[in-house]
Amino acid sequence: EVQLVESGEDLVQPGGSLRLSCAASGFILSSYIMEWVRQAPGKGLEYVSAITSNGDNTYYADSVKGRFTISRDNSKNILYLHMGSLRAEDTAVYYCVRVGMGPGWYFDLWGRGTLVTVSS
Amino acid sequence: ETVLTQSPGTLSLSPGERATLSCRASQSLGRNYLAWYRRKPGQAPRLLIYGASNRATGIPDRFSGSGSGTDFTLTIRRLEPEDFAVYFCQQYDNPPPTFGQGTKVEIK
Repeated sequence: EVQLVESGEDLVQPGGSLRLSCAASGFILSSYIMEWVRQAPGKGLEYVSAITSNGDNTYYADSVKGRFTISRDNSKNILYLHMGSLRAEDTAVYYCVRVGMGPGWYFDLWGRGTLVTVSS
Repeated sequence: ETVLTQSPGTLSLSPGERATLSCRASQSLGRNYLAWYRRKPGQAPRLLIYGASNRATGIPDRFSGSGSGTDFTLTIRRLEPEDFAVYFCQQYDNPPPTFGQGTKVEIK
């Protein structure tokens, strides 16, 4: 089955760190651009970060730049999001998404999401 | 960044009826790079339409997308039980990608 499964759900204190993982199955991860998108409680969806298929280029929303790092291990079919200096406003459900074959970067496959809670 | 405004917030309809959902962009999407998704509780969101009017793989033809520039529409010709869900639009024309706040289609 073609799917994305996120993991890493946790409660973290402000200033702490966390790594999210996204396991891809049913397709070859290395063929696709991948992204992370989040949704905070009561708010809309927000783009977080993107990484090209070979990992050479990464992109970040201003709100997470310098604190989050996106990476991938294509040999294991896993996407990661390393989150540091976490703030209360980072509390959200984080979705792993696959970018479609274009044109343009729409999301043709989503995971169910994993919850990150930042609170003391 | 480009703000997407969806209307209405909630649409109350009966199975078999036609649903018309709107998504308006704060600035023109020159390449009409607009997508629509459906999200059901406990499930991953699903891509319905990309490029404003292209149905994604496996999406039935009761779903259609239209529009250009700043005004876009998702039409569901005859609502099936599985169509009662939240729908949201996304623009990927002007970086960064942004999303509408969603329209809930509920059973009347």
